[in-house]
Amino acid sequence: DVKVTQSSRYLVKRTGEKVFLECVQDMDHENMFWYRQDPGLGLRLIYFSYDVKMKEKGDIPEGYSVSREKKERFSLILESASTNQTSMYLCASSFRGARAGANVLTFGAGSRLTVL
Amino acid sequence: AQSVTQPDIHITVSEGASLELRCNYSYGATPYLFWYVQSPGQGLQLLLKYFSGDTLVQGIKGFEAEFKRSQSSFNLRKPSVHWSDAAEYFCAVGTSGTYKYIFGTGTRLKVLA
Repeated sequence: DVKVTQSSRYLVKRTGEKVFLECVQDMDHENMFWYRQDPGLGLRLIYFSYDVKMKEKGDIPEGYSVSREKKERFSLILESASTNQTSMYLCASSFRGARAGANVLTFGAGSRLTVL
Repeated sequence: AQSVTQPDIHITVSEGASLELRCNYSYGATPYLFWYVQSPGQGLQLLLKYFSGDTLVQGIKGFEAEFKRSQSSFNLRKPSVHWSDAAEYFCAVGTSGTYKYIFGTGTRLKVLA
């Protein structure tokens, strides 16, 4: 089974702190994603990466940055956390292109961040 | 504008009863359609997907969904619900060659014993 592992399930941070959320996948997927999930809003894409060192902004990139130095790892960074970034963060990955399994997202278990 | 609508925020059914969760979409291109399930405190798990071909697709855990192009719908069904099906269900739309997936806001299913 594809495994997408998010290193922290629960985090509590203070306003202004720098926060790192780590995501690792073990199936050689090219694409990796960071979503934010809030009640009543569904999933909203923060950033997407289709290759090492490549990234594209999603729908809500403000206040976030990402890093992809290795194919299997995709990090979400909150440079200065704010209370409105309290949320569930979901990492996902997928194959790229036309091969079998492409276009199907595999999700991690999520990281619930509380900013006080 | 592209969108996915799940009109029911909450649904409650009795164990053993049938279930239908609604999903309507607005999408310019030929859509890829997905249903995901999220158990409390967990990530999303793929239940089933439709890319092309037979419009009735079977998924895991006894779920099925039917793609109706004329109605822009992709409703999820299960003939007999089990207590373990209590979860939140998300419909999503994408298309070939894009990373852009649009998710509905979810339907939370409660199962009464």
